Amino acid sequence: SAVISQKPSRDICQRGTSLTIQCQVDSQVTMMFWYRQQPGQSLTLIATANQGSEATYESGFVIDKFPISRPNLTFSTLTVSNLSPEDSSIYLCSVSLTGIPDEQYFGPGTRLTVT
Amino acid sequence: AQSVTQPDIHITVSEGASLELRCNYSYGATPYLFWYVQSPGQGLQLLLKYFSGDTLVQGIKGFEAEFKRSQSSFNLRKPSVHWSDAAEYFCAVGTGGGADGLTFGKGTHLIIQP
Repeated sequence: SAVISQKPSRDICQRGTSLTIQCQVDSQVTMMFWYRQQPGQSLTLIATANQGSEATYESGFVIDKFPISRPNLTFSTLTVSNLSPEDSSIYLCSVSLTGIPDEQYFGPGTRLTVT
Repeated sequence: AQSVTQPDIHITVSEGASLELRCNYSYGATPYLFWYVQSPGQGLQLLLKYFSGDTLVQGIKGFEAEFKRSQSSFNLRKPSVHWSDAAEYFCAVGTGGGADGLTFGKGTHLIIQP
C-alpha cells in the first residue's frame, strides 16, 4: 500500500478566490488521480496526473478551472480556481501502484467550503 | 463506458447480524472490482478487490465478496457486524488499464443498531 497525505485538510474560501491542494505520497508512483466528492454523493474522477505529461481531464472538467501539476513521482497539486459555492466538496487524491492495475489508495481528502 | 449500481442507499443491521451489500456493474470486458469503506471524516479504505481467479475474495475486517459474472454482481458480505462497521460503503469498477480512474457507485450507508 501507500501512505498519502493531503494539505490542507479543510479550508473555507471566499467566492472568486482559488485553493491549491497538495498531495504527497511516501513512495514513487506513476499514476495519481484527483476525485471530487460533493456533499452526500459518490466520487467523481476529475483528472489523471502522470508525471512528465499533461493531466488528462474527464468530461465536464477543464484545465482552466482545475489546473494540476505533477512535478515528480511523489507529489501533485490540484488548484480549484474562481471558486463558487458549487465547488464546495471533498477533494481526494489517489495513487495507483506500479504493477497493480487500478488498485488505488486514497488520501484523507480536503474539505472545501466556499462562502 | 462502465457503470456501477448500488441499489440500497441505506441499510440498517443489528449488531451481530449478517450483512450483504449489493453491487451491480456494467462493463463489456472483464472488470476489476473493488469495495471501499469511508468512515465519517475519513478517506477511503480498500476492503477487497477482484481481478481474476477465485470468485470469492477475502478482505480486511472480516469482509468477503463474491463475483458473479452471470449476474454482473459483486456483493459484499460479513457474517457478523460490529458497531464499528457503521460507515459508507462504495463499490467501484476499473478497466484494468492502470491509467484510468475508477467508476464508483453512489454508496450504501450502513447503520448498526445496538
